[in-house]
Amino acid sequence: DAKTTQPPSMDCAEGRAANLPCNHSTISGNEYVYWYRQIHSQGPQYIIHGLKNNETNEMASLIITEDRKSSTLILPHATLRDTAVYYCIVRPLYNNNDMRFGAGTRLTVKP
Amino acid sequence: DVKVTQSSRYLVKRTGEKVFLECVQDMDHENMFWYRQDPGLGLRLIYFSYDVKMKEKGDIPEGYSVSREKKERFSLILESASTNQTSMYLCASSSSGSIYETQYFGPGTRLLVL
Repeated sequence: DAKTTQPPSMDCAEGRAANLPCNHSTISGNEYVYWYRQIHSQGPQYIIHGLKNNETNEMASLIITEDRKSSTLILPHATLRDTAVYYCIVRPLYNNNDMRFGAGTRLTVKP
Repeated sequence: DVKVTQSSRYLVKRTGEKVFLECVQDMDHENMFWYRQDPGLGLRLIYFSYDVKMKEKGDIPEGYSVSREKKERFSLILESASTNQTSMYLCASSSSGSIYETQYFGPGTRLLVL
């Protein structure tokens, strides 16, 4: 069973920021928050991960609350190609086989 | 860039057939994984491997076996395909060199068992 809760779907206007929330209230101290996305009929694509500090890379930013019970993935300027299912996963630091994908959030970017 | 490739994007097999799904990664990763993905169930881990000739069961190994004879290649075998094995199969790999061990996925094989 996935340890995260995400809204099933969201819409975003092209060019605007997409903010995807994730609740992980049972996260433990040695677990990372990972985000992947899956564009239709393709394999999941790694986006970003973090432990407790906010993270940014060329694809997105990850904001983790101070109590680590929730996080938000931010796509700063969404494009039509960002339409995908986004998965939030919590994973133990030293257990690389424990990647439990839930249902994710289906993000639709609209022109 | 990490590249994980899978032998087929689409495959149609008959019940009872032996099915081989091949996965190859080109980044010298130690760890390789096989998942299946079904609507409403997310990804479920079938088997994984930490090294050549080593394998570990995941959450749903029944009806499957694996083979890792070379570091870059991890094969999933359906000994006798059944209709409930119709699914999207995803291979992934990761390095043991980093504590983060991000998994990188292949494009997937959509298997239909008739």
